[in-house]
Amino acid sequence: DSGVTQTPKHLITATGQRVTLRCSPRSGDLSVYWYQQSLDQGLQFLIQYYNGEERAKGNILERFSAQQFPDLHSELNLSSLELGDSALYFCASSAGQGPTYEQYFGPGTRLTVT
Amino acid sequence: AQTVTQSQPEMSVQEAETVTLSCTYDTSESDYYLFWYKQPPSRQMILVIRQEAYKQQNATENRFSVNFQKAAKSFSLKISDSQLGDAAMYFCAYRSRTSGGSNYKLTFGKGTLLTVNP
Repeated sequence: DSGVTQTPKHLITATGQRVTLRCSPRSGDLSVYWYQQSLDQGLQFLIQYYNGEERAKGNILERFSAQQFPDLHSELNLSSLELGDSALYFCASSAGQGPTYEQYFGPGTRLTVT
Repeated sequence: AQTVTQSQPEMSVQEAETVTLSCTYDTSESDYYLFWYKQPPSRQMILVIRQEAYKQQNATENRFSVNFQKAAKSFSLKISDSQLGDAAMYFCAYRSRTSGGSNYKLTFGKGTLLTVNP
């Protein structure tokens, strides 16, 4: 158990809908990363937050957004869902934002868009 | 941009034998980290081993060791005395040590599915 929690574990929804994925980092960790794992794209970095502020963006679609709240939990919002958004979404956390800090992964949320 | 390539989509090994998973990467940086992550059927991403590019000594964690060839940009994982519990997808990953931007992200290879035969 990494100490990172993600809810829900599974999510099934229809095209065009909007969903919110939640991540609680390890106690004391200030940085949160979101990754998407799909069959065709593999594991890709989406976005990073540090202490409530966006720090870096990767291959995140405009239909997707995220935020980190004062209690340091983070939410990834996915809207106007398409079949291709079906994937496993991981959250990872680290104590700081620098390169020396290890990232610890949550168990992921499996999103199925039908 | 950094890229990570795992050329073996699948590998198999007999229990108690040794297997080596290959990984190559491309970067213009001189200082970085390399990782091997394990993803069992539970889908949890588990860090297996980490190598710092400025260290010449290859990292070792119990039955897991790496062969880091910086000039060749090669980073292979050796699993000794393979166990049934080692069966999983293995991902090679890169992370920069350079500050700024999205440099702290992990860049992953496509993965190698390891089967352990009893």
